[in-house]
Amino acid sequence: AIRMTQSPSSLSASTGDRVTITCRASQGISSYLAWYQQKPGKAPKLLIYAASTLQSGVPSRFSGSGSGTDFTLTISCLQSEDFATYYCQQYYSYPITFGQGTRLEIK
Amino acid sequence: QLQLQESGPGLVKPSETLSLTCTVSGGSISSSSYYWGWIRQPPGKGLEWIGSIYYSGSTYYNPSLKSRVTISVDTSKNQFSLKLSSVTAADTAVYYCARGNWFDPWGQGTLVTVSS
Repeated sequence: AIRMTQSPSSLSASTGDRVTITCRASQGISSYLAWYQQKPGKAPKLLIYAASTLQSGVPSRFSGSGSGTDFTLTISCLQSEDFATYYCQQYYSYPITFGQGTRLEIK
Repeated sequence: QLQLQESGPGLVKPSETLSLTCTVSGGSISSSSYYWGWIRQPPGKGLEWIGSIYYSGSTYYNPSLKSRVTISVDTSKNQFSLKLSSVTAADTAVYYCARGNWFDPWGQGTLVTVSS
């Protein structure tokens, strides 16, 4: 199975900050990577797929980049509603696997 | 607008079989080339993919659960289902259904507790 490792595991930031979350795959996955946002008690919400394609309705302050083994999710100007947990997920091969999550907290 | 809704018992006894159904509305489960998946999340922990099914019945399962998992589809009811046998407390989780290989949309999730 492909292992997905996110860093950091938690992050404190302030509204207006630019933050970057990294996801590394244990082997190359081309661009078969998705990012999700999850708030407490809610289902995950798809933000980005194909490593850099923004899902319809997702604010443009979210962006994704990378290919192969190294990927990033960037939030350009944090808003209060962005404080949540973020997960990456590879769908290059089965079994589908997720990163362990990055908890983004208010500083 | 496509919507998914999980249903099933919220409490299952150890060693018994967990059974959940995902009902798809706003679109046909067989009208497009999507896989339909189950994902779970133990309380306070991360996401784990359980398995996925195509409308034709083709399945993929997580090897860590494969011996206990069966996913099936009923296109006439626009539903797909999950069965997980021989459950233990470690199977206590919120269970989600979702469309695709990158998952969107998701159901709201249903908490299944394994306890006697």
